[in-house]
Amino acid sequence: DAKTTQPTSMDCAEGRAANLPCNHSTISGNEYVYWYRQIHSQGPQYIIHGLKNNETNEMASLIITEDRKSSTLILPHATLRDTAVYYCIVRVPREGSGGSNYKLTFGKGTLLTVNP
Amino acid sequence: DAGVIQSPRHEVTEMGQEVTLRCKPISGHNSLFWYRQTMMRGLELLIYFNNNVPIDDSGMPEDRFSAKMPNASFSTLKIQPSEPRDSAVYFCASTMLTGPYGYTFGSGTRLTVV
Repeated sequence: DAKTTQPTSMDCAEGRAANLPCNHSTISGNEYVYWYRQIHSQGPQYIIHGLKNNETNEMASLIITEDRKSSTLILPHATLRDTAVYYCIVRVPREGSGGSNYKLTFGKGTLLTVNP
Repeated sequence: DAGVIQSPRHEVTEMGQEVTLRCKPISGHNSLFWYRQTMMRGLELLIYFNNNVPIDDSGMPEDRFSAKMPNASFSTLKIQPSEPRDSAVYFCASTMLTGPYGYTFGSGTRLTVV
Protein backbone atom coordinates (compact mmCIF):
# COMPACT_ATOMS: atom_id res chain seq x y z
CA ASP A 1 0.00 0.00 0.00
CA ALA A 2 1.28 3.44 -0.86
CA LYS A 3 1.73 5.45 2.32
CA THR A 4 1.52 9.19 2.76
CA THR A 5 3.52 11.62 4.84
CA GLN A 6 2.02 14.90 6.01
CA PRO A 7 3.16 17.54 8.49
CA THR A 8 1.50 17.18 11.86
CA SER A 9 0.27 20.76 11.97
CA MET A 10 0.25 24.04 10.05
CA ASP A 11 -0.97 27.56 10.64
CA CYS A 12 -2.44 29.97 8.15
CA ALA A 13 -3.71 33.52 8.37
CA GLU A 14 -7.34 34.13 7.53
CA GLY A 15 -7.74 35.25 3.92
CA ARG A 16 -4.41 33.84 2.82
CA ALA A 17 -3.85 30.71 0.78
CA ALA A 18 -3.27 27.51 2.72
CA ASN A 19 -0.91 25.06 1.02
CA LEU A 20 -0.95 21.59 2.52
CA PRO A 21 1.79 19.21 1.31
CA CYS A 22 1.69 15.44 1.07
CA ASN A 23 4.37 12.97 0.09
CA HIS A 24 3.42 9.63 -1.47
CA SER A 25 6.65 8.42 -3.02
CA THR A 26 5.54 4.78 -3.36
CA ILE A 27 2.33 5.53 -5.22
CA SER A 28 1.59 3.17 -8.10
CA GLY A 29 0.39 4.13 -11.55
CA ASN A 30 -3.32 3.49 -11.08
CA GLU A 31 -3.69 4.93 -7.59
CA TYR A 32 -5.56 8.17 -7.02
CA VAL A 33 -4.75 10.83 -4.46
CA TYR A 34 -7.69 11.87 -2.28
CA TRP A 35 -8.04 14.69 0.18
CA TYR A 36 -10.54 14.76 3.02
CA ARG A 37 -10.91 16.99 6.00
CA GLN A 38 -12.51 16.58 9.40
CA ILE A 39 -13.81 19.53 11.31
CA HIS A 40 -14.03 18.98 15.04
CA SER A 41 -16.87 16.66 16.07
CA GLN A 42 -17.99 16.08 12.49
CA GLY A 43 -17.57 13.24 10.04
CA PRO A 44 -14.78 13.42 7.44
CA GLN A 45 -15.65 15.44 4.35
CA TYR A 46 -14.45 14.66 0.85
CA ILE A 47 -12.62 17.60 -0.75
CA ILE A 48 -11.02 16.56 -4.03
CA HIS A 49 -9.16 13.78 -5.80
CA GLY A 50 -6.79 13.40 -8.75
CA LEU A 51 -4.70 10.91 -10.69
CA LYS A 52 -2.16 12.83 -12.77
CA ASN A 53 -3.51 16.22 -13.70
CA ASN A 54 -4.11 19.20 -11.46
CA GLU A 55 -7.69 19.48 -10.32
CA THR A 56 -9.86 22.33 -9.07
CA ASN A 57 -13.33 22.47 -7.61
CA GLU A 58 -15.34 24.90 -5.54
CA MET A 59 -13.51 23.93 -2.38
CA ALA A 60 -9.85 23.63 -3.34
CA SER A 61 -7.16 22.94 -5.90
CA LEU A 62 -4.98 19.85 -6.06
CA ILE A 63 -1.52 20.06 -7.55
CA ILE A 64 0.19 16.72 -8.29
CA THR A 65 3.84 16.69 -9.28
CA GLU A 66 4.79 15.19 -12.61
CA ASP A 67 6.39 12.14 -10.98
CA ARG A 68 3.27 11.81 -8.76
CA LYS A 69 5.39 11.38 -5.67
CA SER A 70 3.89 14.37 -3.93
CA SER A 71 0.91 16.68 -4.03
CA THR A 72 -0.34 19.93 -2.54
CA LEU A 73 -3.84 20.87 -1.53
CA ILE A 74 -4.51 24.58 -1.89
CA LEU A 75 -7.29 26.46 -0.12
CA PRO A 76 -7.09 29.77 -1.97
CA HIS A 77 -8.63 32.01 0.69
CA ALA A 78 -8.66 30.26 4.03
CA THR A 79 -11.39 31.13 6.53
CA LEU A 80 -11.74 30.29 10.22
CA ARG A 81 -14.17 27.54 9.24
CA ASP A 82 -11.38 25.78 7.34
CA THR A 83 -9.69 24.90 10.63
CA ALA A 84 -9.68 21.10 10.53
CA VAL A 85 -7.56 17.97 10.19
CA TYR A 86 -6.73 17.39 6.53
CA TYR A 87 -6.07 13.88 5.33
CA CYS A 88 -4.13 12.96 2.21
CA ILE A 89 -4.96 9.40 1.18
CA VAL A 90 -3.91 7.17 -1.65
CA ARG A 91 -6.61 4.84 -2.93
CA VAL A 92 -5.69 1.29 -2.09
CA PRO A 93 -7.15 -1.49 -4.23
CA ARG A 94 -8.08 -4.54 -2.20
CA GLU A 95 -5.69 -7.41 -2.73
CA GLY A 96 -6.81 -9.90 -5.31
CA SER A 97 -9.77 -7.87 -6.36
CA GLY A 98 -8.37 -6.56 -9.61
CA GLY A 99 -9.12 -3.11 -8.38
CA SER A 100 -12.86 -3.53 -8.29
CA ASN A 101 -13.03 -3.35 -4.51
CA TYR A 102 -11.19 -0.69 -2.61
CA LYS A 103 -10.92 0.97 0.74
CA LEU A 104 -9.48 4.21 2.04
CA THR A 105 -7.08 4.12 4.96
CA PHE A 106 -6.76 7.31 6.99
CA GLY A 107 -3.47 8.39 8.56
CA LYS A 108 -3.03 11.10 11.17
CA GLY A 109 -3.39 14.02 8.77
CA THR A 110 -2.41 17.67 9.18
CA LEU A 111 -4.13 19.91 11.69
CA LEU A 112 -4.61 23.21 9.89
CA THR A 113 -5.35 26.14 12.16
CA VAL A 114 -6.57 29.29 10.47
CA ASN A 115 -5.86 32.32 12.63
CA PRO A 116 -7.75 35.63 12.54
CA ASP B 1 -30.33 14.42 -0.60
CA ALA B 2 -30.17 14.07 3.18
CA GLY B 3 -26.74 12.47 3.05
CA VAL B 4 -25.67 9.47 5.08
CA ILE B 5 -27.91 9.20 8.12
CA GLN B 6 -26.72 7.60 11.33
CA SER B 7 -28.62 6.93 14.51
CA PRO B 8 -28.46 7.47 17.35
CA ARG B 9 -26.14 10.48 17.52
CA HIS B 10 -25.17 9.66 21.07
CA GLU B 11 -25.42 6.42 23.02
CA VAL B 12 -24.53 5.82 26.63
CA THR B 13 -24.78 2.25 27.84
CA GLU B 14 -23.58 0.06 30.63
CA MET B 15 -20.89 -2.52 30.18
CA GLY B 16 -22.31 -5.84 29.07
CA GLN B 17 -25.30 -4.39 27.26
CA GLU B 18 -26.00 -4.84 23.57
CA VAL B 19 -25.55 -1.79 21.38
CA THR B 20 -26.89 -1.38 17.86
CA LEU B 21 -25.80 1.44 15.60
CA ARG B 22 -27.72 2.21 12.44
CA CYS B 23 -26.86 3.69 9.08
CA LYS B 24 -28.82 4.71 6.01
CA PRO B 25 -26.52 5.28 3.01
CA ILE B 26 -27.15 7.72 0.19
CA SER B 27 -29.67 6.36 -2.27
CA GLY B 28 -27.90 4.81 -5.25
CA HIS B 29 -24.62 4.23 -3.44
CA ASN B 30 -23.66 0.56 -3.43
CA SER B 31 -20.63 0.52 -1.14
CA LEU B 32 -20.93 1.08 2.59
CA PHE B 33 -18.19 1.41 5.19
CA TRP B 34 -18.09 1.39 8.98
CA TYR B 35 -15.25 3.28 10.67
CA ARG B 36 -14.36 3.80 14.32
CA GLN B 37 -12.46 6.82 15.62
CA THR B 38 -10.61 7.18 18.91
CA MET B 39 -7.94 9.59 20.04
CA MET B 40 -5.42 6.80 20.37
CA ARG B 41 -6.01 4.94 17.10
CA GLY B 42 -7.52 7.56 14.81
CA LEU B 43 -9.93 6.46 12.08
CA GLU B 44 -10.03 2.70 11.63
CA LEU B 45 -11.96 0.83 8.96
CA LEU B 46 -14.00 -1.93 10.58
CA ILE B 47 -15.88 -3.48 7.67
CA TYR B 48 -17.25 -2.65 4.26
CA PHE B 49 -19.99 -3.92 2.00
CA ASN B 50 -20.39 -3.91 -1.77
CA ASN B 51 -23.93 -4.45 -3.04
CA ASN B 52 -24.99 -5.46 0.48
CA VAL B 53 -22.35 -8.21 0.68
CA PRO B 54 -19.59 -7.96 3.32
CA ILE B 55 -16.26 -7.77 1.50
CA ASP B 56 -13.64 -7.15 4.15
CA ASP B 57 -14.24 -7.47 7.88
CA SER B 58 -10.59 -7.74 8.85
CA GLY B 59 -10.87 -4.54 10.87
CA MET B 60 -13.59 -5.85 13.15
CA PRO B 61 -11.83 -6.07 16.51
CA GLU B 62 -13.51 -9.08 18.04
CA ASP B 63 -16.38 -11.49 17.74
CA ARG B 64 -18.37 -9.14 19.91
CA PHE B 65 -18.72 -6.93 16.84
CA SER B 66 -21.02 -7.83 13.97
CA ALA B 67 -22.40 -5.91 11.01
CA LYS B 68 -25.24 -6.56 8.62
CA MET B 69 -26.66 -4.97 5.53
CA PRO B 70 -30.05 -6.57 4.85
CA ASN B 71 -30.81 -4.22 1.96
CA ALA B 72 -29.33 -1.35 -0.01
CA SER B 73 -30.74 1.29 2.29
CA PHE B 74 -29.87 0.05 5.74
CA SER B 75 -26.96 -1.30 7.74
CA THR B 76 -26.35 -2.06 11.40
CA LEU B 77 -23.27 -2.45 13.55
CA LYS B 78 -23.87 -4.41 16.70
CA ILE B 79 -21.68 -4.81 19.77
CA GLN B 80 -22.63 -7.59 22.16
CA PRO B 81 -21.59 -7.43 24.95
CA SER B 82 -20.23 -3.91 25.03
CA GLU B 83 -17.10 -2.96 26.97
CA PRO B 84 -15.69 0.41 28.08
CA ARG B 85 -12.88 0.14 25.51
CA ASP B 86 -15.52 0.20 22.77
CA SER B 87 -16.18 3.84 23.59
CA ALA B 88 -15.53 5.79 20.40
CA VAL B 89 -17.20 7.65 17.56
CA TYR B 90 -18.51 5.28 14.92
CA PHE B 91 -18.89 6.59 11.38
CA CYS B 92 -20.72 5.16 8.44
CA ALA B 93 -19.81 6.17 4.88
CA SER B 94 -21.11 5.31 1.44
CA THR B 95 -19.96 5.68 -2.14
CA MET B 96 -20.40 4.28 -5.60
CA LEU B 97 -18.67 0.97 -6.21
CA THR B 98 -17.39 1.86 -9.66
CA GLY B 99 -15.29 4.93 -10.38
CA PRO B 100 -12.92 6.92 -8.18
CA TYR B 101 -15.62 8.70 -6.22
CA GLY B 102 -15.14 10.11 -2.78
CA TYR B 103 -16.90 8.79 0.28
CA THR B 104 -19.76 10.59 1.97
CA PHE B 105 -19.64 10.21 5.74
CA GLY B 106 -22.44 10.43 8.24
CA SER B 107 -22.29 12.58 11.35
CA GLY B 108 -21.30 9.62 13.48
CA THR B 109 -22.54 7.96 16.66
CA ARG B 110 -20.69 8.80 19.83
CA LEU B 111 -20.74 5.67 21.98
CA THR B 112 -19.89 5.74 25.65
CA VAL B 113 -19.78 2.46 27.57
CA VAL B 114 -19.64 2.91 31.31
